Amino acid sequence: EAQVTQNPRYLITVTGKKLTVTCSQNMNHEYMSWYRQDPGLGLRQIYYSMNVEVTDKGDVPEGYKVSRKEKRNFPLILESPSPNQTSLYFCASSKVPSGNTIYFGEGSWLTVV
Amino acid sequence: QKEVEQDPGPLSVPEGAIVSLNCTYSNSAFQYFMWYRQYSRKGPELLMYTYSSGNKEDGRFTAQVDKSSKYISLFIRDSQPSDSATYLCAMSAVTGGFKTIFGAGTRLFVKA
Repeated sequence: EAQVTQNPRYLITVTGKKLTVTCSQNMNHEYMSWYRQDPGLGLRQIYYSMNVEVTDKGDVPEGYKVSRKEKRNFPLILESPSPNQTSLYFCASSKVPSGNTIYFGEGSWLTVV
Repeated sequence: QKEVEQDPGPLSVPEGAIVSLNCTYSNSAFQYFMWYRQYSRKGPELLMYTYSSGNKEDGRFTAQVDKSSKYISLFIRDSQPSDSATYLCAMSAVTGGFKTIFGAGTRLFVKA
């Protein structure tokens, strides 16, 4: 079954405590990306990766880091989380960036207090 | 001005009603138009996909694209309580590397 798996699904953390949200896909997709979803703002792209070792900033990259050491994994790193990073995060993968082929994970609810 | 505008709703309709969901956009380069459905606490899933202008029908769902007006629509016929979800429009262009821009989503409630 085609899947994008992200963990943790729910997390409450404190300001400044580094955390990593993992993402893994089993479809051998080249393109992976991270989005955050906030009320009234929709899905905004944080970072994306065209392939292994190729990453680039999306629309809202501040405060986030990513890495792509293996094709299937694309972790999102918050080095020093702040309350304005409280959000719902989605990892996504696709064969190409085109929107008709995007598969989303189930989402990770992150609260920073 | 946002590249893609979508009324967040909520939109509440009785079961069996015809639902019309809409988005407007400003970038004339968009060629690929999608509608995603997102249930509560789930990731978005692709519902309809249209390339360029025209209509596309799939069961109870019809997607329309009017590039001259920069306006897209999703119609749901004979709406069911199971259609209650957030519907996000999305679009992308070859220029800009197919980057996909999403609308904010419209929350739909279908009452039994």
